[in-house]
Amino acid sequence: EPEVTQTPSHQVTQMGQEVILRCVPISNHLYFYWYRQILGQKVEFLVSFYNNEISEKSEIFDDQFSVERPDGSNFTLKIRSTKLEDSAMYFCASSTTPGPLGNSPLHFGNGTRLTVT
Amino acid sequence: DAKTTQPPSMDCAEGRAANLPCNHSTISGNEYVYWYRQIHSQGPQYIIHGLKNNETNEMASLIITEDRKSSTLILPHATLRDTAVYYCIVRVAGNNDMRFGAGTRLTVKP
Repeated sequence: EPEVTQTPSHQVTQMGQEVILRCVPISNHLYFYWYRQILGQKVEFLVSFYNNEISEKSEIFDDQFSVERPDGSNFTLKIRSTKLEDSAMYFCASSTTPGPLGNSPLHFGNGTRLTVT
Repeated sequence: DAKTTQPPSMDCAEGRAANLPCNHSTISGNEYVYWYRQIHSQGPQYIIHGLKNNETNEMASLIITEDRKSSTLILPHATLRDTAVYYCIVRVAGNNDMRFGAGTRLTVKP
């Protein structure tokens, strides 16, 4: 069964450094997402991406964050200048196009644990 | 902006059916009910979704009441590996984001 893969599984970075989290979505999927989960808290939506542009973003997704699909297979999340509170699990997800009346499930990767020291 | 209400925790005996309830009394006609689960700190795993009719797949069954204000996820023969947090989510047709609540922590006991 195809799956979403994320690398690295664990990243440690110093406060103020830039970090890039990488994801390879399922190959025929067209919608891409990033979520995060701070330890002990709920899974929070960050951003959705379709047709090479952001389709929706949450209030968490401020100017420090950016997303990119650089080469047609990878989907990346960049945090420009990390803060201690960015420490969390970051999950990538993808889905097929739902059509106007339908729905298609999101398929999630197993996440990257980001630790900011 | 939680649209669903779930009990925070439930226990189930191994081999028995696990019935996880969800209330979504403000659901609209074009909103689907989705169920996901998260085992330990892995990524959320899709289980099943439905609009009006009951649905069944190899993992679970989804029973939606006729007024669509509540639903039940049924794991027919729970195993220890089904211990996880289960999330019930409502999602508008054609919309693409998914918003998670706190879910129900299901513990399957031997």
